[in-house]
Amino acid sequence: DIQMTQSPSSLSASVGDRVTITCRASQSISTYLNWYQQKPGKAPELLIYAASSLQSGVPSRFSGSGSGTDFTLSISSLQPEDFATYYCQQSYSSPRTFGQGTKLDIK
Amino acid sequence: QVQLMQSGAEVKKPGASVKVSCKAPGYTFTKYYMHWVRQAPGQGLEWMGIINPSDGTISYAQKLQGRVTMTRDTSTSTVYMELSSLRSEDTAVYYCAREARGRISYWFDPWGQGTLVTVSS
Repeated sequence: DIQMTQSPSSLSASVGDRVTITCRASQSISTYLNWYQQKPGKAPELLIYAASSLQSGVPSRFSGSGSGTDFTLSISSLQPEDFATYYCQQSYSSPRTFGQGTKLDIK
Repeated sequence: QVQLMQSGAEVKKPGASVKVSCKAPGYTFTKYYMHWVRQAPGQGLEWMGIINPSDGTISYAQKLQGRVTMTRDTSTSTVYMELSSLRSEDTAVYYCAREARGRISYWFDPWGQGTLVTVSS
């Protein structure tokens, strides 16, 4: 199985800050990497697919980059609604493994 | 906009089985693979398995082999996930999620709203 490791596990930031979350795969996954946002009591929602493609309707302050084993999710200017938990996921092979999550909260 | 509609919350005793449904109207049901993912309280996302609604082909997470069964009903555009021999560690929110396929990746969108399964004596 491909292991996905996110860092940090938690992050405190302020509205307007720029934040970056990293995700590392245990083997090369090309661009088969997705990012999801999950708010408490809600289902995850797709933010970024294919490592860098922004899902329709997602604000442009979100961006993704990377290929191979190292990936990043960046939020350019945090808004109050961005405080949530973020998960990366590889779709290169089965099982479709997720990172352990990064909880982003207000400083 | 495609929406997946899951069945309601369940409370089960240890050793029992639970069957969760996920109805997928509004698109060609047989064109998209469906996955199941679960999330224990306060924990991350755990992939459980995949079903091809076109022919019923399935693949399950190794740790759930022998206890999980995924099926589909093409007449109602519904997929089902049944988990047997329930134990307390199976207490979780269970999600279905449709897999979209692009040229250079696959991704889950949309997700169902989730079904809470509580296993308690």
